[in-house]
Amino acid sequence: LAKTTQPISMDSYEGQEVNITCSHNNIATNDYITWYQQFPSQGPRFIIQGYKTKVTNEVASLFIPADRKSSTLSLPRVSLSDTAVYYCLVGDRVTDKLIFGTGTRLQVFP
Amino acid sequence: GAVVSQHPSRVICKSGTSVKIECRSLDFQATTMFWYRQFPKQSLMLMATSNEGSKATYEQGVEKDKFLINHASLTLSTLTVTSAHPEDSSFYICSARSGRGADEQYFGPGTRLTVT
Repeated sequence: LAKTTQPISMDSYEGQEVNITCSHNNIATNDYITWYQQFPSQGPRFIIQGYKTKVTNEVASLFIPADRKSSTLSLPRVSLSDTAVYYCLVGDRVTDKLIFGTGTRLQVFP
Repeated sequence: GAVVSQHPSRVICKSGTSVKIECRSLDFQATTMFWYRQFPKQSLMLMATSNEGSKATYEQGVEKDKFLINHASLTLSTLTVTSAHPEDSSFYICSARSGRGADEQYFGPGTRLTVT
């Protein structure tokens, strides 16, 4: 299983764009990259998933370089409600288990 | 997205008793369900994988006789914490998957277990 590394914490202010980068140097050919958001005392919520290049949805963008050894989650114009822990996960297509790393605790200030 | 529920949302029990937590997929059939445990300020730790109609697969270090998992139908999996002790107090989260791909894995709201 590929291991992910991401910053433990980040701070931002309302209205700013936040980019959280995740390293996954040992990602396998068939692995995909998924990001989840978790608020205190709640289950994780799916944000976005990608395999390569760029993926965008209504809440975020995911940038994946050609070598796929890292990925960056981009949150445009964050608000206070985006304060949460963000997890980067690399999917294991053999077992489909999701192994959570440390996550990045994002704090948004007014 | 699909909805996964858990019951109860929080439970307090006395040391030595057993507690059952239910995980239900409300609007889809879940061929596979996962159980996680999360301690305060820590990440989720995968405990086991359960497939409908078969025995659960436990992660290394998780006692299968203590954490009994039953996935009797395509919409229900249960986790029973047997002979609970204070160190079992944690946030237990389930997820359900209907098919391949992480975007098809949906998480429940979690169950807060406190053992006194």
